[in-house]
Amino acid sequence: GAVVSQHPSRVICKSGTSVKIECRSLDFQATTMFWYRQFPKQSLMLMATSNEGSKATYEQGVEKDKFLINHASLTLSTLTVTSAHPEDSSFYICSASLRNQPQHFGDGTRLSIL
Amino acid sequence: AQKITQTQPGMFVQEKEAVTLDCTYDTSDPSYGLFWYKQPSSGEMIFLIYQGSYDQQNATEGRYSLNFQKARKSANLVISASQLGDSAMYFCAMRGNSNTGNQFYFGTGTSLTVIP
Repeated sequence: GAVVSQHPSRVICKSGTSVKIECRSLDFQATTMFWYRQFPKQSLMLMATSNEGSKATYEQGVEKDKFLINHASLTLSTLTVTSAHPEDSSFYICSASLRNQPQHFGDGTRLSIL
Repeated sequence: AQKITQTQPGMFVQEKEAVTLDCTYDTSDPSYGLFWYKQPSSGEMIFLIYQGSYDQQNATEGRYSLNFQKARKSANLVISASQLGDSAMYFCAMRGNSNTGNQFYFGTGTSLTVIP
């Protein structure tokens, strides 16, 4: 089945650091990738939709300058949390899909900002 | 607007018994897709089962089946012969149409605990 790889799986860093998370579709070309944020014991909150070769579409309330998304190719999207602060600590998870197919998720990244 | 509702924050089931996790949805789109995902404590989202709005039969995948009642706008997940490894969070999701970028709308989830 379709495989999505997300890296790193866990990040612990100091406040003010920028963190880049990669999301790769390993065996298919994903025209659309999605980035979610999940707080403990809560559902997934869509942050943005990433389309290859164009600007990401951000959900209301998500800071574009804070969460930079780049979708440089059909198999790679990156999320950069710029100047991260403790309130940015969360579980971030990406997904990719082909049209009319289930979304396939990466294993997620646990971000902890000290 | 699309909306997914899961009214059971937590469920318990005895090992080897069957359990039904509820999901209702609201959409005005004539064509849509319904999905169930499992999220164990490790965090990954595991796709379980899919039901298309025009599918005549209820979807089944091994021990998972989807009780799709279109008129009631419900898509309940039935897990038969529960196993200890089934303990996890379960999310119901609906795929929007192309006007919404084919994004998924997730319910709030149900935490399932299988009791030995």
